[in-house]
Amino acid sequence: SAVISQKPSRDICQRGTSLTIQCQVDSQVTMMFWYRQQPGQSLTLIATANQGSEATYESGFVIDKFPISRPNLTFSTLTVSNMSPEDSSIYLCSVPAGREKLFFGSGTQLSVL
Amino acid sequence: GENVEQHPSTLSVQEGDSAVIKCTYSDSASNYFPWYKQELGKRPQLIIDIRSNVGEKKDQRIAVTLNKTAKHFSLHITETQPEDSAVYFCAASSVQTGANNLFFGTGTRLTVIP
Repeated sequence: SAVISQKPSRDICQRGTSLTIQCQVDSQVTMMFWYRQQPGQSLTLIATANQGSEATYESGFVIDKFPISRPNLTFSTLTVSNMSPEDSSIYLCSVPAGREKLFFGSGTQLSVL
Repeated sequence: GENVEQHPSTLSVQEGDSAVIKCTYSDSASNYFPWYKQELGKRPQLIIDIRSNVGEKKDQRIAVTLNKTAKHFSLHITETQPEDSAVYFCAASSVQTGANNLFFGTGTRLTVIP
């Protein structure tokens, strides 16, 4: 399994501010995925980050709100912009672990006041 | 797109009993069905998966069954232990939507009572 380092592990932020979450993988991967897990809910895919191209966003998520960077094959960032309390969630990055499987980072617990 | 439904949302069993969690999916093109276990405050971890060319798969106390015709699949845990307590998520994906693009169910919180 890949080793994924996700930072920060948790943060408490004021509404209107932005937070950038970092995801570092110990091996090169073509795709990285960003998921959101709202309190007590399931995991929802926000976007797929490919190195060298713009991220592909799922329905309901837009680049202005969740800009993503993918500068190389081992690193990605997700920014949660202009935060509101509704953005309070766990944000997880994940990478493929084989043809279909996913391996998840430890997540970032975000609370917005 | 794919819609995965999962039941029950919560499940309590006595230690040693069996637990069954059921999921249905909507996209007949889905061909990969993993199950993830998420302990409190930890990342989701893959515990077992099944592909559409197989009807059943077993790994020690855990088994998964798939009924392609009815579009449902189930997780079976036998001889449950307290450490099985966690939230379990089913998921589905297909080559068309992207093999690693998993659609998750809403989760089942399993509590094993010692």
